[in-house]
Amino acid sequence: DSGVTQTPKHLITATGQRVTLRCSPRSGDLSVYWYQQSLDQGLQFLIQYYNGEERAKGNILERFSAQQFPDLHSELNLSSLELGDSALYFCASSARGFNGNTIYFGEGSWLTVV
Amino acid sequence: AQKVTQAQTEISVVEKEDVTLDCVYETRDTTYYLFWYKQPPSGELVFLIRRNSFDEQNEISGRYSWNFQKSTSSFNFTITASQVVDSAVYFCALSALLSNFGNEKLTFGTGTRLTIIP
Repeated sequence: DSGVTQTPKHLITATGQRVTLRCSPRSGDLSVYWYQQSLDQGLQFLIQYYNGEERAKGNILERFSAQQFPDLHSELNLSSLELGDSALYFCASSARGFNGNTIYFGEGSWLTVV
Repeated sequence: AQKVTQAQTEISVVEKEDVTLDCVYETRDTTYYLFWYKQPPSGELVFLIRRNSFDEQNEISGRYSWNFQKSTSSFNFTITASQVVDSAVYFCALSALLSNFGNEKLTFGTGTRLTIIP
């Protein structure tokens, strides 16, 4: 158990819909990351938050957004869903955001868009 | 740009055999970090090891060992006396500094699917 908690574990939704994925980082970790794992793209970095502020963006679509709340949990919002958004979405956390801190991953949220 | 190459897409070995998973990386940074993660069939990503670019000592943890060679930009992973529970996809990853703040992201390889045959 990495200590990173993600909900829901599985989600099936229709195209055009909006979903929210939730993440609680490890106790004490200030940095939260979101990654997407799909068959064709592999593991891709989406976005990073540090202590409530956005710090870095990767290959995140404009239809996707995220935030980190004062209690440090994070949410990833996916809207206008398309079939191609079906993937495993990981949340990860690290103590800070630099110097090679180990990044621990949650168990992921499986999203299926039908 | 950062890049991680895991040329072995799939490997199958018989239980108790040793197996080595290859990882080659590219980076222009002088300070960087390398990681291995395991993804079992259940899907979670499990951290195995972190190594910084200044420490080229090999590391052993039980049946697992890692060989880091800066001269060849490789960070290979060996499982000794493999077991069925080792069956998983293994990812090598490189940590890049994104800004002066030091924010990082992990650049992953495409993974190696390891199957241990009983």
